[in-house]
Amino acid sequence: GESVGLHLPTLSVQEGDNSIINCAYSNSASDYFIWYKQESGKGPQFIIDIRSNMDKRQGQRVTVLLNKTVKHLSLQIAATQPGDSAVYFCAENGRSNYKLTFGKGTLLTVNP
Amino acid sequence: EPEVTQTPSHQVTQMGQEVILRCVPISNHLYFYWYRQILGQKVEFLVSFYNNEISEKSEIFDDQFSVERPDGSNFTLKIRSTKLEDSAMYFCASTGDSNQPQHFGDGTRLSIL
Repeated sequence: GESVGLHLPTLSVQEGDNSIINCAYSNSASDYFIWYKQESGKGPQFIIDIRSNMDKRQGQRVTVLLNKTVKHLSLQIAATQPGDSAVYFCAENGRSNYKLTFGKGTLLTVNP
Repeated sequence: EPEVTQTPSHQVTQMGQEVILRCVPISNHLYFYWYRQILGQKVEFLVSFYNNEISEKSEIFDDQFSVERPDGSNFTLKIRSTKLEDSAMYFCASTGDSNQPQHFGDGTRLSIL
């Protein structure tokens, strides 16, 4: 069956450090993956996405890595800032065009 | 930047009552979604809607749930007879292309008493 899970429920880092948030997925049919950031009281906010024909994609201060061999996804945040503190979710489409399956979320806390 | 807007931000309803949650998707988007998030848990898919019909729905989306796009701008989720376990955050999302990221509203907190 489908499942998307996260290795660590919480991550605490110092301001300025790099953060790495990991995600495992089990649906080998998935071909599209997204990272969302959710701040308290807000909806999920799109950060970056990647398709299965790529293994790395970079944005502004963020990089997503996809390892299809071990079905693993990671989000790297460079020079983490207090404003990055939030819950981060990975999501995958399972080859469906009509829904996303979310992981459980990792709470990132950035200490000043 | 265009955004998905949801109203109300908080809805309190007695068990057994009907509730309608409202969403205004981004104006040029064609695909619409409802998700829910029980407190402290992950976001769960409920239903997707395209071309004026349901494209896909989850097991959660039973006969008590319905969706409608009554005009060119609104997208609604109706729960016909609410249960205590319907208490959750309900998020609306939209996208212009099914292969593009879904953009989410800030949700409606539904509290069933």
